[in-house]
Amino acid sequence: QLVLTQSPSASASLGASVKLTCTLSSGHSSYAIAWHQQQPEKGPRYLMKLNSDGSHSKGDGIPDRFSGSSSGAERYLTISSLQSEDEADYYCQTWGTGIRGIFGGGTKLTVL
Amino acid sequence: EVQLLESGGGLVQPGGSLRLSCGASGFTFSSYAMSWVRQAPGKGLEWVSYISAGGASTYYADSVKGRFTISRDNSKNTLYLQVNSLRAEDTAVYYCAKEDYQLPYFDYWGQGTLVTVSS
Repeated sequence: QLVLTQSPSASASLGASVKLTCTLSSGHSSYAIAWHQQQPEKGPRYLMKLNSDGSHSKGDGIPDRFSGSSSGAERYLTISSLQSEDEADYYCQTWGTGIRGIFGGGTKLTVL
Repeated sequence: EVQLLESGGGLVQPGGSLRLSCGASGFTFSSYAMSWVRQAPGKGLEWVSYISAGGASTYYADSVKGRFTISRDNSKNTLYLQVNSLRAEDTAVYYCAKEDYQLPYFDYWGQGTLVTVSS
């Protein structure tokens, strides 16, 4: 079964970097994912599509501070030079043959 | 600039119905598949339904199958979701989302419309 697992919460200091993780279920380590950001009381915003080889393509207007990488079944979102507006929920999404809209549970990022 | 604007949400009694709409602009609406995704209060994102660019193919989450109907009017650049037989557990913000041209991930989202099911 295709499942995405995310840690419920993460925190980092203003100006620092943070690396969020999304883990694909067993047997699905070659799958690409997409990262989305949801700021408080707003709709989600697409950040990037991330392939299994770590290559990624970002959405319109996404700052260079956001980057993606991959290792095995893990997909990472790294945010550098953290700003207060980065405090948000971050969701990963994937898809499969005849399957779409598989979301991880989301990670709530707190900027200290 | 791509814009998606949902409307039609509101307070409805259990068993009631609503029709949600999503007006699209800034892209060639008829060329892209679209989906509805919902988020219950304090919870994560849940995909609800999909429709292909031309409208011929539709898919639904098991939780809404037989009660919700997705449709689109490409001449009006509008996506719809008819929600019937509503239950308390359907209470959520409903978002429309545009799919990428090649792969089924969402590259643009609307701001959402709130559906509250309560007596």
